[in-house]
Amino acid sequence: DVKVTQSSRYLVKRTGEKVFLECVQDMDHENMFWYRQDPGLGLRLIYFSYDVKMKEKGDIPEGYSVSREKKERFSLILESASTNQTSMYLCASSVSGTGWTEAFFGQGTRLTVV
Amino acid sequence: AQSVAQPEDQVNVAEGNPLTVKCTYSVSGNPYLFWYVQYPNRGLQFLLKYITGDNLVKGSYGFEAEFNKSQTSFHLKKPSALVSDSALYFCAVRDPNYGGATNKLIFGTGTLLAVQP
Repeated sequence: DVKVTQSSRYLVKRTGEKVFLECVQDMDHENMFWYRQDPGLGLRLIYFSYDVKMKEKGDIPEGYSVSREKKERFSLILESASTNQTSMYLCASSVSGTGWTEAFFGQGTRLTVV
Repeated sequence: AQSVAQPEDQVNVAEGNPLTVKCTYSVSGNPYLFWYVQYPNRGLQFLLKYITGDNLVKGSYGFEAEFNKSQTSFHLKKPSALVSDSALYFCAVRDPNYGGATNKLIFGTGTLLAVQP
């Protein structure tokens, strides 16, 4: 069974802290994605990566950075957490193909910044 | 701009009745369309996709979707709803601005399906 695992289900952090969200996939997928999900806004892409050490900005990259040192792991970093980054964060992965392969999602990390 | 619209925030249906969750899209070129479902406090699960071919696509859990090019729609349907179908449903389209192998998706805002017993 395919699996995308996010390191935490729930996280509470203080304003100004550096926050790391980890995601690991066991499917040898080339593509990995980080989304945030907010009510009424759907899923918005923060960053994605199509290969090790490669990354591209999504639609809302401000305040975030990413790291992909190994194929199976994609980390999202909040350099200095702020309350407006309180959200549900979803990691996904997909095989590299011709655009019609579906993405597999992790269970999500609900981050609260206080 | 490329976009996906889900015009209904919530759809209510009685168990056993047919259900429809609406989705319209606006993309250049041929669309690659997807439906995902999210159960409470869970990630998204893939339901079905349209790439090309037959306009009626069948997916998981008895769901199907009808692609209509002239109306730029991709509505999700099920002939007989179950209480366990209650969840948040997302329509998505591949972003054509990202070619090749990277299937970056544009998501709609989601529709909450509530099935009453």
